[in-house]
Amino acid sequence: NAGVTQTPKFRILKIGQSMTLQCAQDMNHNYMYWYRQDPGMGLKLIYYSVGAGITDKGEVPNGYNVSRSTTEDFPLRLELAAPSQTSVYFCASRTDVPNTEAFFGQGTRLTVV
Amino acid sequence: GDSVTQMEGPVTLSEEAFLTINCTYTATGYPSLFWYVQYPGEGLQLLLKATKADDKGSNKGFEATYRKETTSFHLEKGSVQVSDSAVYFCALSHQGAQKLVFGQGTRLTINP
Repeated sequence: NAGVTQTPKFRILKIGQSMTLQCAQDMNHNYMYWYRQDPGMGLKLIYYSVGAGITDKGEVPNGYNVSRSTTEDFPLRLELAAPSQTSVYFCASRTDVPNTEAFFGQGTRLTVV
Repeated sequence: GDSVTQMEGPVTLSEEAFLTINCTYTATGYPSLFWYVQYPGEGLQLLLKATKADDKGSNKGFEATYRKETTSFHLEKGSVQVSDSAVYFCALSHQGAQKLVFGQGTRLTINP
């Protein structure tokens, strides 16, 4: 059981480039999330989804886009990368059953130079 | 809205010391409460949880009791090890809520 898989693990982007961070889960979870974690800081929610075709903004959505065409996949798109987007990005998923925990991927460390 | 407040870090202890990391929350009703741990270079993983008042969650020697009267969920361990060095996050979720609410995290370092 792979759980939540994120790719790539590391990436260096130049200012203005674009990329997609991939996230896939094999637990048939309806809820999926993208967080960013800046050095020494807590988690900030970027976007989330409660099912295929449904997405919503979190606390810090600017500069990012998401889509959810299947239950399994929830890619995060960065357009026109900026140094402020240097961070570690975590994808998470959970079932919609009440009182259940979220499962996290291993993270993608992104540096924008 | 809902919020979670953790004690400020970093926390540095010697091996075999007693650990408490404070967590208090603000929420309506009866949320579920969680402690997550993040080891260096890894994602968050669930450490323990409690879903109703007076429940005690426990795992790997860590414990936390859901205290409705003080809106708290403090994490404790009787004797910490170097391998417990990590960042610890307190979180809550309401029944039916779509999102988890996380505290800011507490970095714990255990010295041999």
